[in-house]
Amino acid sequence: EPEVTQTPSHQVTQMGQEVILRCVPISNHLYFYWYRQILGQKVEFLVSFYNNEISEKSEIFDDQFSVERPDGSNFTLKIRSTKLEDSAMYFCASSDPTGGAYYGYTFGSGTRLTVV
Amino acid sequence: ILNVEQSPQSLHVQEGDSTNFTCSFPSSNFYALHWYRWETAKSPEALFVMTLNGDEKKKGRISATLNTKEGYSYLYIKGSQPEDSATYLCACLYNQGGKLIFGQGTELSVKP
Repeated sequence: EPEVTQTPSHQVTQMGQEVILRCVPISNHLYFYWYRQILGQKVEFLVSFYNNEISEKSEIFDDQFSVERPDGSNFTLKIRSTKLEDSAMYFCASSDPTGGAYYGYTFGSGTRLTVV
Repeated sequence: ILNVEQSPQSLHVQEGDSTNFTCSFPSSNFYALHWYRWETAKSPEALFVMTLNGDEKKKGRISATLNTKEGYSYLYIKGSQPEDSATYLCACLYNQGGKLIFGQGTELSVKP
């Protein structure tokens, strides 16, 4: 069964450093997403990407965040200058062309980001 | 602000017990509701996608219902097994391909 792959599984970084979280979505999917879950809180939406551009972003997704899909397979989330409050589990997800009407989104197993 | 609520937050049952969880959501402009099963250290796995009022879906011992008019969905597990232990997430969509709005999840623990 096709999977969404995320790397790394864990990353520890110093406050103020840049991090790049990587994802390989399912190849025939058209919608791509980043979500995160801060410990003890709900899973929250960060950004969606469709047709090679951002289709929606949350208030969390400020100028410190960016996404790219440089080569048609990888989908990356960059945090330019990490803060302590960016510590969370970050999930990549993708959806087939029906956009969640018939099949659920496919999630990766997450990257645990710890900012120290 | 769209808010999806799940109850209870956690549930501890004995093997063989049947159980159910609730998800409530804003019904205005509703598009779809997803139920996910999430085991520790794994990725959330889609159980059901429901769109129509009155939908009922079943997969083995797990079933779900949807009421879009009043804004709630129930997930039922019949004869719980230890392998059912996981967090069950409800998430709502308000447009095709849009952002999922998640509830806080129900953490189920089934003791042998």
